[in-house]
Amino acid sequence: EVQLLESGGGLVQPGGSLRLSCAASGFTFSAYAMTWVRQAPGKGLEWVSAISGSGSSTYYADSVKGRFTISRDSSKNTLYLQMNSLRVEDTAIYYCATGEGYNWNYFAKYWGQGTLVTVSS
Amino acid sequence: DIVMTQSPDSLAVSLGERATINCKSSQSVLYSSNNKNYLAWYQQKPGQPPKLLIYWASTRESGVPDRFSGSGSGTDFTLIISSLQAEDVAVYYCQQYYGTPPWTFGQGTKVDIK
Repeated sequence: EVQLLESGGGLVQPGGSLRLSCAASGFTFSAYAMTWVRQAPGKGLEWVSAISGSGSSTYYADSVKGRFTISRDSSKNTLYLQMNSLRVEDTAIYYCATGEGYNWNYFAKYWGQGTLVTVSS
Repeated sequence: DIVMTQSPDSLAVSLGERATINCKSSQSVLYSSNNKNYLAWYQQKPGQPPKLLIYWASTRESGVPDRFSGSGSGTDFTLIISSLQAEDVAVYYCQQYYGTPPWTFGQGTKVDIK
């Protein structure tokens, strides 16, 4: 059974940093791209970032480019999202997700339960 | 980036009746080399992550009831719930995955019971 478990969310002040983790199990982690999607309170879904199965290719939404860094550690079956220079508008539930695709995911068949990031002074 | 626009924003349907949600993309998501539409549909219930319903515009994900169906091609797509059940109350999103990222989602359509 595929499982994705996010952690690392919390309350942080504007300008601060946070690192999210997503522990994956139940599939060959290195064979699939991984994706982060976020959802602000009461709002819709927003794609944030993606990484290829090898980790050599990364992709970012314009809204986070230069501030967020996606990475993965295949020895730990874990996906990361390093978030720097956080803004109030980054407040959201952050989901990790995966599905078909090695260079990038086409669609998300599997989702974690999400971790809440709150940016507030 | 490709903009996805859903209609309506919300709808209320009687139990057992048909619900229709539309999704329009700002450019075609049909890849001519394989004749596939790079379009997915998700269902999200309160407090839960999204759940994949449909991919390649019309392929139902394993375990999804056959009352859910997807259709359309190019820029215009439809999700139909043929006979609404109480457990179908949720927000539904379309998503395009044409070419390299970013994905883009529609704004969501909230489905309620009338």
